[in-house]
Amino acid sequence: SQTIHQWPATLVQPVGSPLSLECTVEGTSNPNLYWYRQAAGRGLQLLFYSVGIGQISSEVPQNLSASRPQDRQFILSSKKLLLSDSGFYLCAWSRDSITYEQYFGPGTRLTVT
Amino acid sequence: AQRVTQPEKLLSVFKGAPVELKCNYSYSGSPELFWYVQYSRQRLQLLLRHISRESIKGFTADLNKGETSFHLKKPFAQEEDSAMYYCALCPQGGSEKLVFGKGTKLTVNP
Repeated sequence: SQTIHQWPATLVQPVGSPLSLECTVEGTSNPNLYWYRQAAGRGLQLLFYSVGIGQISSEVPQNLSASRPQDRQFILSSKKLLLSDSGFYLCAWSRDSITYEQYFGPGTRLTVT
Repeated sequence: AQRVTQPEKLLSVFKGAPVELKCNYSYSGSPELFWYVQYSRQRLQLLLRHISRESIKGFTADLNKGETSFHLKKPFAQEEDSAMYYCALCPQGGSEKLVFGKGTKLTVNP
């Protein structure tokens, strides 16, 4: 069966420090991968999605970037964190030909101090 | 542009009462629509999709193209239905992404 992992679960980082959040999927190949930010009152905001290795689409211009170095690995990064980057980050995957059902990871709570 | 609107951020009902979570969408074609749910301390997960015409945990949702709505309904709410509910849209013909609403937090009181 397929599983999706995210780490770390929680992270506290100072303003201006770098960020790297990792997401990996097991039990499937060539998934579509997604990064969301979930904020109270703002719902789920799609940040990036990827349909294949090295293919990244950005939805919102911001301080963050994403990379997909391997088929089932998706990384969210920042060179210098801002206070406004605080939030709950969710990774999700879907099958490459059936995109409507997405499977979500447990999320990472990021606090920028 | 596609848009999903959930007008209620918070909804509170008593156990046994009917519940309706509203969802309206903006899209020129024929979208596929979904409801996702996130229970406390659990992952966000698919609840139901309109194309299946299914009832999950007593919930149903009917796509009304005339009103561009996809409201989620349950005749008798239970305490375990308390959760965050998100309506989502997938554009016609498939797409790499879903468009989510901002969510409605449902609280079912004893």
